[in-house]
Amino acid sequence: DVKVTQSSRYLVKRTGEKVFLECVQDMDHENMFWYRQDPGLGLRLIYFSYDVKMKEKGDIPEGYSVSREKKERFSLILESASTNQTSMYLCASAPWAANEKLFFGSGTQLSVL
Amino acid sequence: AQSVAQPEDQVNVAEGNPLTVKCTYSVSGNPYLFWYVQYPNRGLQFLLKYITGDNLVKGSYGFEAEFNKSQTSFHLKKPSALVSDSALYFCAVRDSHTGRRALTFGSGTRLQVQP
Repeated sequence: DVKVTQSSRYLVKRTGEKVFLECVQDMDHENMFWYRQDPGLGLRLIYFSYDVKMKEKGDIPEGYSVSREKKERFSLILESASTNQTSMYLCASAPWAANEKLFFGSGTQLSVL
Repeated sequence: AQSVAQPEDQVNVAEGNPLTVKCTYSVSGNPYLFWYVQYPNRGLQFLLKYITGDNLVKGSYGFEAEFNKSQTSFHLKKPSALVSDSALYFCAVRDSHTGRRALTFGSGTRLQVQP
């Protein structure tokens, strides 16, 4: 089975802190994604990457950046955390083909105080 | 641009009755359509997908979905609901024409199955 592992299940940070969310997949997938999930809004795409060192902005990239130095690892960075970034963050990976499904991690619930 | 709408925030159904969770989509090319389920405190699990071919797609846990191109819909169905089906359901789409590799998700529908 494909495994997508997110480093923390729960995280509490203070406003202004730099926050790193880590995601690792073990199936050699080319594509990796970061979504945030908020009640009533569903999942919204923050950033995605289709190759090492390649990244593309999603629908809500403001306040976030990403890093993909190795194929299996995709990091989401909150440069200066704000309270409106309190959310559930979901990482996903997928093979290259466009008709393939996404595999999701269990999520990180981030609270910014 | 690709988009998907789930018009119902919540669907309530009695155990043993058929259930339908609605989804409509908008794409410029041909759609790749997906349904995912999220149980409490869990990540999203894949249920089924439509890529091409037969309009009725069968998936996990007895769920199926019907692709209707004229109505741009992809409703999720199950003939007989179980209490354990209670969860949050998401419809998602990818436009084959744009080549965008990310899925666009709907806002989700909470399914509540009463015993």
